[in-house]
Amino acid sequence: EVQLVESGGGLVQPGGSLRLSCVASGFTFSNYWMHWVRQVPGKGLVWVSRINSDGNNSNHADSVKGRFTVSRDNAKNTLFLEMNSLRGEDTAVYYCARDPYSSGSMDVWGQGTTVTVSS
Amino acid sequence: SSELTQDPAVSVALGQTVRITCQGDSLRSYYASWYQQKPGQAPVVVIYNKNNRPSGIPDRFSGSNSGNTASLTITGAQAEDEADYYCNSRDTSGNQVVFGGGTKLTVL
Repeated sequence: EVQLVESGGGLVQPGGSLRLSCVASGFTFSNYWMHWVRQVPGKGLVWVSRINSDGNNSNHADSVKGRFTVSRDNAKNTLFLEMNSLRGEDTAVYYCARDPYSSGSMDVWGQGTTVTVSS
Repeated sequence: SSELTQDPAVSVALGQTVRITCQGDSLRSYYASWYQQKPGQAPVVVIYNKNNRPSGIPDRFSGSNSGNTASLTITGAQAEDEADYYCNSRDTSGNQVVFGGGTKLTVL
């Protein structure tokens, strides 16, 4: 079964850091671009980051540029999102998603992990 | 970056046809994909790269594109189609991805 499982969310103080993980199974992880997408409960989807299959090219949304870093370990079938200098507006459910065509189209999503930034 | 604009809410009578639209400059260069999200669940892609339907998605879902507007059409809407629908594409630079604000579909 093709599956993505996120972890690492939790409560963190403003200015703090958190590292999210997304473990892939059921497919050849190293063949796919991957994305992080977040969603404030009751609000819309917002793209955060993407990384190519090799892990040597990535892009981030302007709202997180310089604070968040996406990376991957293809040997461990794992995608990461390192989040620093966290703000209240980063509070959201964070999803990882697979991109089979390197086009921004996402065909497999994880169940999400919740990040809450609050003092 | 760029923006994709969707109507916040649309309604359709059971069994009728509904079109959900998505407008943005990036759609002149890049295909749109469409996602269905039900409460408490992760999004599910229903149309990718303009008009491709993943396996398991009913054929009542179809996509199209004209100029700066992409459309998702549900022909013969069912009660289980009631959900939020989001479009997305690459942005005008091609380096980022952008989502529309979402459309809440109500099936009457």
